[in-house]
Amino acid sequence: QVQLVQSGAGVKKPGASMKVSCTASGYTFTAYYVHWVRQAPGQGLEWMGRINPNTGGTNFAQKFHRRVTMTRDTSMSTVYLALSRLTSDDTAVYYCARGSPQAVGGADFWGQGTLVTVSS
Amino acid sequence: SYELTQPPSVSVSPGQTARITCSGQILAKQFTYWYQQKPGRAPFLVMKKDLERPSGIPERISGSSSGTTVTLTISGVQAEDEADYYCQSTDNNATHPEWVFGGGTKLTVL
Repeated sequence: QVQLVQSGAGVKKPGASMKVSCTASGYTFTAYYVHWVRQAPGQGLEWMGRINPNTGGTNFAQKFHRRVTMTRDTSMSTVYLALSRLTSDDTAVYYCARGSPQAVGGADFWGQGTLVTVSS
Repeated sequence: SYELTQPPSVSVSPGQTARITCSGQILAKQFTYWYQQKPGRAPFLVMKKDLERPSGIPERISGSSSGTTVTLTISGVQAEDEADYYCQSTDNNATHPEWVFGGGTKLTVL
């Protein structure tokens, strides 16, 4: 069965960087886009960007494009989200989600989420 | 960038029908996806491409689309349906396709 398993929660200081992993199983890793979506406490869902695990190509939401990096390791079926220059506004649960074979579409499987708290 | 508008809350009694709307210009040209999210859990896909039910989703959950508004309908609402529901579509007018989420609707089962 399809599974996305994310790394554990963490606390970061303002100005630091974070990195979250998402390991996929149960399907052909390179065949589907992976998206990253975050959710601040008590707030809605916010799309951050996508990565094509086959090519490594990425697209980011304008809001994040100067601070975000998405990479993948095909040997480990894992994608990574990195976000730099953290502020308290980046405190959120970060989700990876399996998209479609195309850049458009929705997400049919989600990781369990990773809580990142930014606090001094 | 485009926005998707959802009502903040919908309340129904058990057995009644809940209708959750999502409105936005891009919906006239792009498919909509719906996610259910329960407290402390990841979102879960309950409707794709406006009106297609993913495997395992009961028939009492349906989707429809008319112009710039899509609707998620839950018939015979049960206590287990109480959750937040988010619509999502794609803005194809940016330099690259960008996902857009609605603000979410809290479904309360009275």
